[in-house]
Amino acid sequence: SAVISQKPSRDICQRGTSLTIQCQVDSQVTMMFWYRQQPGQSLTLIATANQGSEATYESGFVIDKFPISRPNLTFSTLTVSNMSPEDSSIYLCSVLGTPGTSGHRYNEQFFGPGTRLTVL
Amino acid sequence: GQQVMQIPQYQHVQEGEDFTTYCNSSTTLSNIQWYKQRPGGHPVFLIQLVKSGEVKKQKRLTFQFGEAKKNSSLHITATQTTDVGTYFCAIGSARQLTFGSGTQLTVLP
Repeated sequence: SAVISQKPSRDICQRGTSLTIQCQVDSQVTMMFWYRQQPGQSLTLIATANQGSEATYESGFVIDKFPISRPNLTFSTLTVSNMSPEDSSIYLCSVLGTPGTSGHRYNEQFFGPGTRLTVL
Repeated sequence: GQQVMQIPQYQHVQEGEDFTTYCNSSTTLSNIQWYKQRPGGHPVFLIQLVKSGEVKKQKRLTFQFGEAKKNSSLHITATQTTDVGTYFCAIGSARQLTFGSGTQLTVLP
């Protein structure tokens, strides 16, 4: 399974500021995703981070608010821009396991530890 | 996109009791995945079901996929305190997973 790290693990930010979250994977992966999980809620897909091209955003999420970079196959960043208290959530990156590669039988997703963001 | 309903939202059980969570879709699913998220942790993949009527077991966990491929269940026999967490089903393609609302399991010692 892929080993995924995220930075920062948590942060407290002021309204109107921006925070960039980093996601690092220990191996090259094709598919990387960013999710939001509000307290006590399920996971909602924000976007798919595409290497070398613009991210693919889900309905309700826009690039101006959540710009994403994917400079290579092991790294991605998500920026939460012009934050408001409603952006307080856990932000998780994940990668797709590829069937046929070592240890992967299914198209399961492996998640990073998450970034807990509080906006005051 | 596809949606899936998951029930119950919360379940409190005494240690040793059984636990079941259900996911239901109005459309036929190609597959369904199950994840577990421990308190303060991140979701961890448990299983994927693909075939109609499929039943898979992992120790005390039994996963079922309905004959019509519209519903699925996760059953835990004789719960232990280590089973505490939120269990999510997830549907969709590998490129776009939609998670159920989750069932938060509390196991009382």
